[in-house]
Amino acid sequence: SSELTQDPAVSVALGQTVRITCQGDSLRSYYASWYQQKPGQAPVFVIYGKNNRPSGIPDRFSGSSSGNTASLTITGAQAEDEADYYCNSRDSTGNHVVFGGGTKLTVL
Amino acid sequence: EVQLLESGGGLVQPGGSLRISCAASGFTFNIYAMSWVRQAPGRGLEWVSAIGASGDSTYYADSVKSRFTISRDNSKNTLYLQLNSLRVEDTAVYYCAKNLASYSNYIDYWGQGTLVTVSS
Repeated sequence: SSELTQDPAVSVALGQTVRITCQGDSLRSYYASWYQQKPGQAPVFVIYGKNNRPSGIPDRFSGSSSGNTASLTITGAQAEDEADYYCNSRDSTGNHVVFGGGTKLTVL
Repeated sequence: EVQLLESGGGLVQPGGSLRISCAASGFTFNIYAMSWVRQAPGRGLEWVSAIGASGDSTYYADSVKSRFTISRDNSKNTLYLQLNSLRVEDTAVYYCAKNLASYSNYIDYWGQGTLVTVSS
């Protein structure tokens, strides 16, 4: 399968911890990466590989993976974390890249 | 500072063609794979195509294969996407994106995008 499935929407109280998940068969073979997108802006690279943060990404963002599920965890969510989050991975053939449908995170 | 500046978007009729470009700066262009990712209005991200650092390897989503052609000119630090046989469903913001290293799903920098509208 070349699909990655994400929950359409998730909410979290300010300062609490939230996990955003991404499911797909290809995640058994390839690590996901995660992107944050705010309205009207380009995506921002936030997590890749086993659990790597690009320079400038706060350490409250972390990643993990188990079986066919990759997760992005925000520990102590801030108001500025409200955004759409997308996962991606290679597909099962390894030749193509696929994105999940995105998760809209609301910080209450 | 990495900068990716797309250009060439616009309104085109169904069946028409367009070439969009991406001028890159702030990094050694010829050692990184590059990608195009699009986003239809109000929709999610969709990977379109990628090209290896030297230009010898190219990759396409099934939805655009045989209609779109990715290329690069390393002497001009520029990435291109030739869009042919355009369909209404190709309407989207097209983002130029830099891969973290070689071809993979890791995209570390994105341009601001150029809007392609396919309509009669």
